[in-house]
Amino acid sequence: DAGVIQSPRHEVTEMGQEVTLRCKPISGHNSLFWYRQTMMRGLELLIYFNNNVPIDDSGMPEDRFSAKMPNASFSTLKIQPSEPRDSAVYFCASNQDRGNGYTFGSGTRLTVV
Amino acid sequence: AQKITQTQPGMFVQEKEAVTLDCTYDTSDPSYGLFWYKQPSSGEMIFLIYQGSYDQQNATEGRYSLNFQKARKSANLVISASQLGDSAMYFCAMREGTGNTPLVFGKGTRLSVIA
Repeated sequence: DAGVIQSPRHEVTEMGQEVTLRCKPISGHNSLFWYRQTMMRGLELLIYFNNNVPIDDSGMPEDRFSAKMPNASFSTLKIQPSEPRDSAVYFCASNQDRGNGYTFGSGTRLTVV
Repeated sequence: AQKITQTQPGMFVQEKEAVTLDCTYDTSDPSYGLFWYKQPSSGEMIFLIYQGSYDQQNATEGRYSLNFQKARKSANLVISASQLGDSAMYFCAMREGTGNTPLVFGKGTRLSVIA
């Protein structure tokens, strides 16, 4: 298995631009989690999906952030418009039902200038 | 209130020695799982070890063991025979309940192994 695949690995964008982060979970995993990692706040949950349905998006910072999971093999996290304070590493993770194998992607390092 | 507390921002250990990284947790759910992840400087999150709340034995995975003290709500990670490659950030995390709920992470401990 190729693991959880995130793209891009690095993204540098200008303030005000739209940014889209992508995630392909492990085949057969039915839960997907988006986390953000910063020095100040550590690893925070942004949103998670079970069976493609958003369950809890209370961690999404504000309306500029949105996430979708149109099918079991793909999810996006969009920031529009981006701001410098959005600079962070964004991780996607997946897990199978009642499993303990939460697997993380390599992360996307986002820099907003 | 913090659900996962890691009180050691940084730790040093001599190569080949054992080291214990502390983790305490807070939950009222009788069913939960505890996890440790390693994050090297390259940035990926690597799963190390898992302990379920109903597991009778402490979990072990190679040089990693989890010292689970349920009454004290602690889940310390013990790394035996430290290697230079063990230098990394280590995160303790908890999942509450038995469903597919998210992991909640502590702030992490940076371990440096000295030759």
